[in-house]
Amino acid sequence: RKEVEQDPGPFNVPEGATVAFNCTYSNSASQSFFWYRQDCRKEPKLLMSVYSSGNEDGRFTAQLNRASQYISLLIRDSKLSDSATYLCVAEAGSYQLTFGKGTKLSVIP
Amino acid sequence: NAGVTQTPKFRILKIGQSMTLQCTQDMNHNYMYWYRQDPGMGLKLIYYSVGAGITDKGEVPNGYNVSRSTTEDFPLRLELAAPSQTSVYFCASIPGGNQPQHFGDGTRLSIL
Repeated sequence: RKEVEQDPGPFNVPEGATVAFNCTYSNSASQSFFWYRQDCRKEPKLLMSVYSSGNEDGRFTAQLNRASQYISLLIRDSKLSDSATYLCVAEAGSYQLTFGKGTKLSVIP
Repeated sequence: NAGVTQTPKFRILKIGQSMTLQCTQDMNHNYMYWYRQDPGMGLKLIYYSVGAGITDKGEVPNGYNVSRSTTEDFPLRLELAAPSQTSVYFCASIPGGNQPQHFGDGTRLSIL
């Protein structure tokens, strides 16, 4: 079965800290990867796509290592509003996605 | 622009009852998906559709049925509700290609 594995956390960090989430995927044929954010009792929302060259969006940086089948998300200068569960997602073929169980982040004042 | 709309938002069913979870999107997306999410778990794909008239099973289809008579609508049917189907159900869509999915707000379903 094609899977995505994440550290479940929780990660409890102070405001202003840098935090990194890691994720591995088992389907070597996956071509597209994403990080989603999910607030408590809400729907997942796209945070960013992940590209082989790495990509940055403000305080967020995503990296992909295809050889190791490894994806990362770095959040710099954490804000209270960053508290959420972060889902690592890999394309599973036929326009399907495989979701990790998520890593919970709590940013503490 | 409503995006993906799910109804109802909450529902309590008795064991053995049936119901339909509604999902509609106004973005003219070809691909639609139904997921369930149990507490502390990731999303599991129940069924998906690549266009009107075409549906296929996902990872956890047992106990559910779907139909796709129009591009906009993708209802999920529970015929004989069981406690194991207590979950949060999300509908999602994409226009095509390897693009990120747009999710509805979810339906919280409890079966007692």
